[in-house]
Amino acid sequence: QKEVEQNSGPLSVPEGAIASLNCTYSDRGSQSFFWYRQYSGKSPELIMFIYSNGDKEDGRFTAQLNKASQYVSLLIRDSQPSDSATYLCAVFSGGYNKLIFGAGTRLAVHP
Amino acid sequence: GAGVSQSPRYKVAKRGQDVALRCDPISGHVSLFWYQQALGQGPEFLTYFQNEAQLDKSGLPSDRFFAERPEGSVSTLKIQRTQQEDSAVYLCASSQGQGDGYTFGSGTRLTVV
Repeated sequence: QKEVEQNSGPLSVPEGAIASLNCTYSDRGSQSFFWYRQYSGKSPELIMFIYSNGDKEDGRFTAQLNKASQYVSLLIRDSQPSDSATYLCAVFSGGYNKLIFGAGTRLAVHP
Repeated sequence: GAGVSQSPRYKVAKRGQDVALRCDPISGHVSLFWYQQALGQGPEFLTYFQNEAQLDKSGLPSDRFFAERPEGSVSTLKIQRTQQEDSAVYLCASSQGQGDGYTFGSGTRLTVV
């Protein structure tokens, strides 16, 4: 079992819809969770982080964390074609906070 | 600098050739990480530096891979006797301290022919 699991997609949503991206992790001791966006041919860029159970909102993005279920999600409201990218879930692991990434979910927002 | 700088942006190496990839982290960032990203996959951890100390090299795939950060700023990832399976994007990231998210450089795309 990989440490961080994501559905590879593609997840296809119409413009204006809510995109829901999901991630599960295996290390029950993990405390910090990150979502990165990666456009094709570009490097990952941090869009959200969450440490506490519950929801964290930033603009059109909401990160949700459920430590009991070892589950993290990212919701993108009012999806735009410019949101089309691969979304990487990452979890801190180890004493010095090594980031472990999932394989990413490819999101396609169509007009 | 304003961001993490990596060079070269692209590198084509003949099988068996040695390569050196450079990373210049954000000024003042203590932590520096190297990742390898194969096509269609997430970044895979290679090694971690805290200042000049290499604290974790558990992700280096073989003894052909070597990384250094002698003065606690610029880092170099060296791959000796490159093989085709080394073809990937090599990403460098830095962070100010523990608990912070990383800032990634643009990466070096290595193609071994």
